[in-house]
Amino acid sequence: NAGVMQNPRHLVRRRGQEARLRCSPMKGHSHVYWYRQLPEEGLKFMVYLQKENIIDESGMPKERFSAEFPKEGPSILRIQQVVRGDSAAYFCASSPRVAGKNIQYFGAGTRLSVL
Amino acid sequence: DAKTTQPPSMDCAEGRAANLPCNHSTISGNEYVYWYRQIHSQGPQYIIHGLKNNETNEMASLIITEDRKSSTLILPHATLRDTAVYYCIDHQGGSEKLVFGKGMKLTVNP
Repeated sequence: NAGVMQNPRHLVRRRGQEARLRCSPMKGHSHVYWYRQLPEEGLKFMVYLQKENIIDESGMPKERFSAEFPKEGPSILRIQQVVRGDSAAYFCASSPRVAGKNIQYFGAGTRLSVL
Repeated sequence: DAKTTQPPSMDCAEGRAANLPCNHSTISGNEYVYWYRQIHSQGPQYIIHGLKNNETNEMASLIITEDRKSSTLILPHATLRDTAVYYCIDHQGGSEKLVFGKGMKLTVNP
């Protein structure tokens, strides 16, 4: 059973470009979470999605960031007009969401560098 | 913000048991305690979780005090590969997100 797959592992963008980060959850998992880890800081929740629905986006910056989890295909975290402050590691997690429990399985992350 | 507190760091000798403490004095009755770890530059890894009973799996044991205000993660025979930042998280009821604090850096020394 393959784990959570994220790609690309490393992404370099110039200021003003768009970044698209992809996440394929574990087989059978329909719940996806995105977290961001700034250099030398802890992980911060960004957004929680189920298939075709955003459930909680309380951690998403109000502008330039969006996320989707379509019926078919991976979840996408999209950052428009990137700035240097967006440089970070972005981790995706998936969960089978068994009632009362919330075990999240994380991918290896995408490291975004904005030049 | 995270509701748990952990010491910032701890050292352990290879082969010895590592006992990692965590305080969660405001935990609610229906909230679980979760432990994750993050080995340098990798994604966080789930270790174990518990509600009020002690738990054991192939990775670790979790001892939760009777009043549930604190817990200890035990790695019975620490190896160099256990060097990581360990996060103790009380899952906030009704919310799906995991709130990571600063965690505790465990260094296993040869």
